[in-house]
Amino acid sequence: EVQLVESGGALVQPGGSLRLSCAASGFTFSSNSMNWVRQAPGKGLEWVSYITGSSSTIYYADSVKGRFTISRDNAKNSLYLQMNSLRAEDTAVYYCATSDGGYSYNWGQGTLVTVSS
Amino acid sequence: EIVMTQSPATLSVSPGERATLSCRASQSVSTNLAWYQQKPGQAPRLLIYGASTRATGIPARFSASGSGTEFTLTISSLQSEDFGVYYCQQYNNRRNFGPGTKVDIK
Repeated sequence: EVQLVESGGALVQPGGSLRLSCAASGFTFSSNSMNWVRQAPGKGLEWVSYITGSSSTIYYADSVKGRFTISRDNAKNSLYLQMNSLRAEDTAVYYCATSDGGYSYNWGQGTLVTVSS
Repeated sequence: EIVMTQSPATLSVSPGERATLSCRASQSVSTNLAWYQQKPGQAPRLLIYGASTRATGIPARFSASGSGTEFTLTISSLQSEDFGVYYCQQYNNRRNFGPGTKVDIK
């Protein structure tokens, strides 16, 4: 069974940093591209970032480019999102999800990031 | 950037009725279009990919069509468990979601 478990969400002050993790199991992690998707409270889904299995291709949404960095450690079956210069508008539940040819079949349960003073 | 729009924003439907949801892309995404269902407090669930292919385990009452810039998701006979928010997503050029259509009980 595929499992994706996010962690690292917390309350952080504006301008601060946070690193999210996603532990993957039940599939060949190194062969799968992955996405981070977020959802602000009461709002819709927003794609954040994408990384291929080998980390050779990475994309970011314009809203986070230059502030967020996606990475992965295939030996640890883990996906990461380093978030710097956080803003109030980054407050959201952050989901990791598989990228199965572009769409996402498997999703984690999400981790909440709150940016507030 | 490809911008996705969905209509209507809210759709009120009685159980057993047909529901038709629309999604439009600001430029062609070919058939690189997916549909998701999300219920409160839950992660999204993939319904459709490739514009018209049902994901594993998705009931046949869900069907979808379209290509290029115009797409439609149809639920032929709405069941109680089908209420929620539906999002379309393009994956032809990076990824973008539409704003969602909320399907609620009439």
